[in-house]
Amino acid sequence: QVQLVQSGAEVKKPGASVKVSCKASGYTFTSYYMHWVRQAPGQGLEWMGIINPSGGSTSYAQKFQGRVTMTRDTSTSTVYMELSSLRSEDTAVYYCARLAGGMDVWGQGTTVTVSS
Amino acid sequence: QSVLTQPPSVSGAPGQRVTISCTGSSSNIGAGYDVHWYQQLPGTAPKLLIYGNSNRPSGVPDRFSGSKSGTSASLAITGLQAEDEADYYCQSYDSSLSGSLYVFGTGTKVTVL
Repeated sequence: QVQLVQSGAEVKKPGASVKVSCKASGYTFTSYYMHWVRQAPGQGLEWMGIINPSGGSTSYAQKFQGRVTMTRDTSTSTVYMELSSLRSEDTAVYYCARLAGGMDVWGQGTTVTVSS
Repeated sequence: QSVLTQPPSVSGAPGQRVTISCTGSSSNIGAGYDVHWYQQLPGTAPKLLIYGNSNRPSGVPDRFSGSKSGTSASLAITGLQAEDEADYYCQSYDSSLSGSLYVFGTGTKVTVL
């Protein structure tokens, strides 16, 4: 079955970077774009960016430009989201989600906590 | 900030019908871009509920329906059930220079009385 499995929870200090992975299975990895979406505690969903696993092209939300990098490894069917210069406001659950007529499959989420 | 506006909460008794509005603008819903709806149960990842304005993925009960008109969209839940208590989000594409290509609604909490 189609599945996205994300890496485990992270605790980081302000100023550090975090890299979250999202491993896809059950479908042709390069055939579907992948979104990254985050949700701060008690807040709504926020779109961060999108990557084309086929060519690696990306598009980021302006808010994260310069701080976020999305990459992929086609040999392992994995996409990555790295966020740098972390601050407390980046504490959130980060999700990957496949783009297919809406975001049809979601990862389980990765909790990133930024605390000194 | 979200460019799609939803009511913060709606409620209804079991069996009733509730609707959730999603108001956008000429750069997203009004430009003809599709609206999708997601259900998020407490502590879980969002789940696609409606795609392409009014289509239900396999396994989604037909109690859920979506529509779109002008710069707004709506999600209706008929025959409300206890397990429908969740947060609901609309989502679309935005062609303005707002800084985000894909936008979500502010979210609506549905409470079953």
